[in-house]
Amino acid sequence: QKEVEQNSGPLSVPEGAIASLNCTYSDRGSQSFFWYRQYSGKSPELIMSIYSNGDKEDGRFTAQLNKASQYVSLLIRDSQPSDSATYLCAVNKGTGNQFYFGTGTSLTVIP
Amino acid sequence: EAQVTQNPRYLITVTGKKLTVTCSQNMNHEYMSWYRQDPGLGLRQIYYSMNVEVTDKGDVPEGYKVSRKEKRNFPLILESPSPNQTSLYFCASSFGITRTSYNEQFFGPGTRLTVL
Repeated sequence: QKEVEQNSGPLSVPEGAIASLNCTYSDRGSQSFFWYRQYSGKSPELIMSIYSNGDKEDGRFTAQLNKASQYVSLLIRDSQPSDSATYLCAVNKGTGNQFYFGTGTSLTVIP
Repeated sequence: EAQVTQNPRYLITVTGKKLTVTCSQNMNHEYMSWYRQDPGLGLRQIYYSMNVEVTDKGDVPEGYKVSRKEKRNFPLILESPSPNQTSLYFCASSFGITRTSYNEQFFGPGTRLTVL
């Protein structure tokens, strides 16, 4: 079983719509959760971190964490063509010092 | 400017020829890490370092070595590269690992390695 799983997509949404990206993780003891954006050929860029159950909002981005369901999501409101990228979910287990990444979801925002 | 730098950015080499990829950060971060990224496999952690002289294996350490003699530098060493080590490599760093918000990692620009 993979530590972190994401739907690889591709996910396409029209400009201005809400994009919803999902991630599940296997270790119930995981403590820290991250969303990164990666443009083709570039390095991952941190968008959001979330550590407790519930929602965390930053501008057009909202991260949602449900530890009981072992589920993390990222909502992008008012999607823009510049949001077209691969989104990586990452987890840091509470019991260790390693990070685990999903394989990423490719998002395309259609003008 | 706060950043993680890697060198070289691109490298083509031949099987068995030792190479080193350098990583440096100017943010006084304690935690540093190396990842490789392969299509369909995502980012996988190779080695990480909690602090100077403290290193440990990640998920895919075979064929790699690291050292952490100074806080700012964390070089990745391939003693005898093989074609299956052809990949995109990223170095990352964070303030720490044990406290939330301290463990946000920031990535270098990447090194594309081809082993023939």
